[in-house]
Amino acid sequence: GAGVSQSPSNKVTEKGKDVELRCDPISGHTALYWYRQSLGQGLEFLIYFQGNSAPDKSGLPSDRFSAERTGGSVSTLTIQRTQQEDSAVYLCASSLGPGGTYEQYFGPGTRLTVT
Amino acid sequence: KNQVEQSPQSLIILEGKNCTLQCNYTVSPFSNLRWYKQDTGRGPVSLTIMTFSENTKSNGRYTATLDADTKQSSLHITASQLSDSASYICVVRSNAGGTSYGKLTFGQGTILTVHP
Repeated sequence: GAGVSQSPSNKVTEKGKDVELRCDPISGHTALYWYRQSLGQGLEFLIYFQGNSAPDKSGLPSDRFSAERTGGSVSTLTIQRTQQEDSAVYLCASSLGPGGTYEQYFGPGTRLTVT
Repeated sequence: KNQVEQSPQSLIILEGKNCTLQCNYTVSPFSNLRWYKQDTGRGPVSLTIMTFSENTKSNGRYTATLDADTKQSSLHITASQLSDSASYICVVRSNAGGTSYGKLTFGQGTILTVHP
């Protein structure tokens, strides 16, 4: 079985443009998470999906950020009107279930650079 | 506020030597603690998981300890190899807020460099 995949691996965009980041979780994993890793910072939680619904969106830093998940599988993270402070590595993770000791398996990340 | 602090920030050792990385946390209520290894340009990969009742757990040359009373954990790497060069991240899960999934709090990581 393939692991978590993310695309694109790198994205350079101009300030003010919209970007979409994609995550393909491990097949059968019901829980999906988005994180942001800025240079020199720890991972920052953005949003959690259980199936297609998002019980916890508390980590989204502003209303420019949104995410959706369709068919209980693929998820897209959209950043509108990008700002330079959005530059970071965006990591997606999935797990078999939401709680307990279920391990989160991480994708390789998308490195976003806003110029 | 839930926090996880790791030390040192970075560490350089010679191949074959041992090292110990530290993690202090203030996450409450505590559910479990994981150590992850993150190679450059890759996502983190879990090394060990420890629950409240566990004091020590080993995974090959990696040994993690947990002191739930003092809220401290350590990761000991024995006989280091060049491939151990990576960032090591301490992650604590809580079950606060009535969420069934338990939020994760991440440390900033310790960057380990192993030189030949």
